[in-house]
Amino acid sequence: DTEVTQTPKHLVMGMTNKKSLKCEQHMGHRAMYWYKQKAKKPPELMFVYSYEKLSINESVPSRFSPECPNSSLLNLHLHALQPEDSALYLCASSQVSGVRHYEQYFGPGTRLTVT
Amino acid sequence: DQQVKQNSPSLSVQEGRISILNCDYTNSMFDYFLWYKKYPAEGPTFLISISSIKDKNEDGRFTVFLNKSAKHLSLHIVPSQPGDSAVYFCAASARETSGSRLTFGEGTQLTVNP
Repeated sequence: DTEVTQTPKHLVMGMTNKKSLKCEQHMGHRAMYWYKQKAKKPPELMFVYSYEKLSINESVPSRFSPECPNSSLLNLHLHALQPEDSALYLCASSQVSGVRHYEQYFGPGTRLTVT
Repeated sequence: DQQVKQNSPSLSVQEGRISILNCDYTNSMFDYFLWYKKYPAEGPTFLISISSIKDKNEDGRFTVFLNKSAKHLSLHIVPSQPGDSAVYFCAASARETSGSRLTFGEGTQLTVNP
């Protein structure tokens, strides 16, 4: 099973709203990632969690707040976003070590529109 | 500084022919290279990878070649099929103490014509 699921599929929110994106994987991976992808651009890394601890924050604004409640779940809490934050938000997971640790498996993404 | 580059934004080939997608990188610390395929409104799907200590890896219709001295890799798809039409991203991995960091190229839109 190489499936990573993300909910919701689409999200429209106002600039004063608070919302959350959810990601789940059951591959036993202990590294999980959030990426942001704008149209016709490659995915850009936002956060990395390893063993449920935040290990990389790519200088992401504080209006994005990640959370890893357990080894299978990853959340991204959104607050006071700007229209330029509209993008496809991708979750991925991988092993932390071992032969295939570099292979990241992506979910289908959440299409976020900030109005 | 763009560390991974895909200089061809698009490629069009006939069904049954070979598709060759190219990628260049600048960072010598990259230790694995991957190709992902992406359909619109979906997440990237892992296709094939290669370690920096190898020069070729093959999986069915897909073969990745690595020329480390030229810092160049390519993905060959043969024979190409219409279902292969998608955006292909080259990615390079630098080992971190926790997980891995992928750096993506800009992508190449492959269109396979019936």
